Amino acid sequence: KAGVTQTPRYLIKTRGQQVTLSCSPISGHRSVSWYQQTPGQGLQFLFEYFSETQRNKGNFPGRFSGRQFSNSRSEMNVSTLELGDSALYLCASSLVGQNTEAFFGQGTRLTVV
Amino acid sequence: GESVGLHLPTLSVQEGDNSIINCAYSNSASDYFIWYKQESGKGPQFIIDIRSNMDKRQGQRVTVLLNKTVKHLSLQIAATQPGDSAVYFCADSRYGNKLVFGAGTILRVKS
Repeated sequence: KAGVTQTPRYLIKTRGQQVTLSCSPISGHRSVSWYQQTPGQGLQFLFEYFSETQRNKGNFPGRFSGRQFSNSRSEMNVSTLELGDSALYLCASSLVGQNTEAFFGQGTRLTVV
Repeated sequence: GESVGLHLPTLSVQEGDNSIINCAYSNSASDYFIWYKQESGKGPQFIIDIRSNMDKRQGQRVTVLLNKTVKHLSLQIAATQPGDSAVYFCADSRYGNKLVFGAGTILRVKS
C-alpha cells in the first residue's frame, strides 16, 4: 500500500511569508503527527491530529498551526516565516490509539531566505 | 527537562561486525520505545519497537534491549552491512502518538 505522502518536497520562501505543507497518511491511519528536523535541534514534535482534532501539541509558537480533514489528510501552516524556520518538516501517520508504529513521509524541505 | 539522549554521535564499524547503538531516556513513565533509521534525503524508517513490559525484542538482524532500571536501551545490528550506514534515532512515546527523539547516532560502515 502507498506510504505517507508529503507535498511539496522542496519549498523556498521569503521571511514574513506564510507556507502550507500537506500530508496524506497511509490509508486507514487516522493519526497524523508533524515534526520539525534541524541540525541544531534534531527531531522535534510539533503536533498530532486524530479524528480532525489536535490531540497533542509541542513547544512551538502559535505561528505553527495545523488541521486535519475528514479523510485524515493533514496540513500544517507556518505564518510570518523566520530564517530559523528553515528545516525538514516530517509527517508521520499511525493507526488509532497510542503507542503504535508511526510511519514517516520523506518530508518537505523548507528554506526561508 | 524530558529528553531521550544518545551517548555517541558517530559509530564506525567494519563490514560484518556487530554494531551497538545506545540511548538513554529520562522519563521513567515512558512505556514504548522505537528505533528509527534515517538515510540521507529520506524520512525516518521504523526498525523495531519495544514496550516497557519487555526486556528484549529481536527482529531480522536487529535486537533491542531495554533496561528500565538505568533507563537505557540499545540497538544491536548483527553482521553490519554497508546499507546499514545511516543515522539511527531512538524515540519514546508517552502521550498518544507523540514521539520524543534522541539526538541520533551516525553509523558508518567501512568496507
